Amino acid sequence: GAGVSQSPSNKVTEKGKDVELRCDPISGHTALYWYRQRLGQGLEFLIYFQGNSAPDKSGLPSDRFSAERTGESVSTLTIQRTQQEDSAVYLCASSLGGGVSYEQYFGPGTRLTVT
Amino acid sequence: AQKITQTQPGMFVQEKEAVTLDCTYDTSDPSYGLFWYKQPSSGEMIFLIYQGSYDQQNATEGRYSLNFQKARKSANLVISASQLGDSAMYFCAMREGTSNTGKLIFGQGTTLQVKP
Repeated sequence: GAGVSQSPSNKVTEKGKDVELRCDPISGHTALYWYRQRLGQGLEFLIYFQGNSAPDKSGLPSDRFSAERTGESVSTLTIQRTQQEDSAVYLCASSLGGGVSYEQYFGPGTRLTVT
Repeated sequence: AQKITQTQPGMFVQEKEAVTLDCTYDTSDPSYGLFWYKQPSSGEMIFLIYQGSYDQQNATEGRYSLNFQKARKSANLVISASQLGDSAMYFCAMREGTSNTGKLIFGQGTTLQVKP
């Protein structure tokens, strides 16, 4: 079946511009996650959506970052007034449920470059 | 404080030999899960193996096994019979169960290179 998809795959933007990244989770997966991976580093958690519960936004680095999810479907991550330190790969993942044992399936990521 | 520590930035292994990638973790949550992911140069994250904190036996998945030592808080990944395609970055990750946060906490990764 179809995996997690993300668009765009690459995005180059000028400092100060807003960007919107999109994630389509695996159908039927109630949980959705956004992570950021800087070059050569591990993944940093950004935000977690689980069903109709309030999202866990504890990983968002600043108020320039926000995310939305429509039901149990598509999610968008928005970065306003981009800065050079926002350059990274943004990875989306989804899982069947929110329990601790559920494997997270990752998308291919969006590589964001802020010039 | 680091919750997941991978002390080996880079490792080499000869093809067909076994290799152990180290991972130690820190949590006070009695319920947690430990995961290993592989990230080839293409960038995708591939799930390899899972170990739950209450699991009595070490997890195994094909050539992958997890050496889980709960008292030492270590969850080392063992890859047997290494193949050239195993060359990649490997990440250990933990998810804490009772906090209900859902997030995976990742280590910094270990780059594995398999030599022919």
